[in-house]
Amino acid sequence: QVQLQESGPGLVKPSETLSLTCTVSGGSISSYYWSWIRQPPGKGLEWIAYIHYSGSTNYNPSLTSRVTLSVDTSKSQFSLRLRSVTAADTAVYYCARQHCIGGSCYWSFDLWGRGTLVTVSS
Amino acid sequence: QSVLTQPPSVSGAPGQRVTISCTGSSSDIGAGYDVHWYQQLPGTAPKLLIYGNGNRPSGVPDRFSGSKSGTSASLAITGLQAEDEADYYCQSYDSSLSGSVVFGGGTKLTVL
Repeated sequence: QVQLQESGPGLVKPSETLSLTCTVSGGSISSYYWSWIRQPPGKGLEWIAYIHYSGSTNYNPSLTSRVTLSVDTSKSQFSLRLRSVTAADTAVYYCARQHCIGGSCYWSFDLWGRGTLVTVSS
Repeated sequence: QSVLTQPPSVSGAPGQRVTISCTGSSSDIGAGYDVHWYQQLPGTAPKLLIYGNGNRPSGVPDRFSGSKSGTSASLAITGLQAEDEADYYCQSYDSSLSGSVVFGGGTKLTVL
């Protein structure tokens, strides 16, 4: 059974860089798009970006100047870097897999990690 | 502010039917992009409930159904049960923002 697990620091100082990694276990990282999605405490979901196993990326226009995604297929991992963070970046960060079924893929997410809370505070 | 608009809350008694609306625009839902729905129970990650406007992943009860028309979509839940109390999110794709995944603001369903 494929599982996703986010990892990284739970506390980041303002103006510094938030770095998270998502490890894919029990299955292949190939042939899918992989996303990062966040949820501030008590608020809704916000898509951050996605990366294909080949390395192609697409970013949320509101975050594109501060975000970089990368993928390491040898480790079955993909990573998020968010620069110059502020308190507004405090959120639960989820990694998620694009939903593919029966040879068709959708811009939806069928597999999610459990999420990791990142707090931006000095 | 979310790109897709949902009512903040809806409620219904056990056994009843409730619907949750999701309103978009000509650059997302109205452009023909699929709408997907998620259920989020407290303290857990979202779960895919409906994909491709009206399809249910394996294991999702047929009490849940989705539809789409024009620039809007709806999630219907029949035979409401206590365990349906959760937050529900719609999601689509927006071609005006260099290709961007967009979510609704979420709807809190309360089972009375």
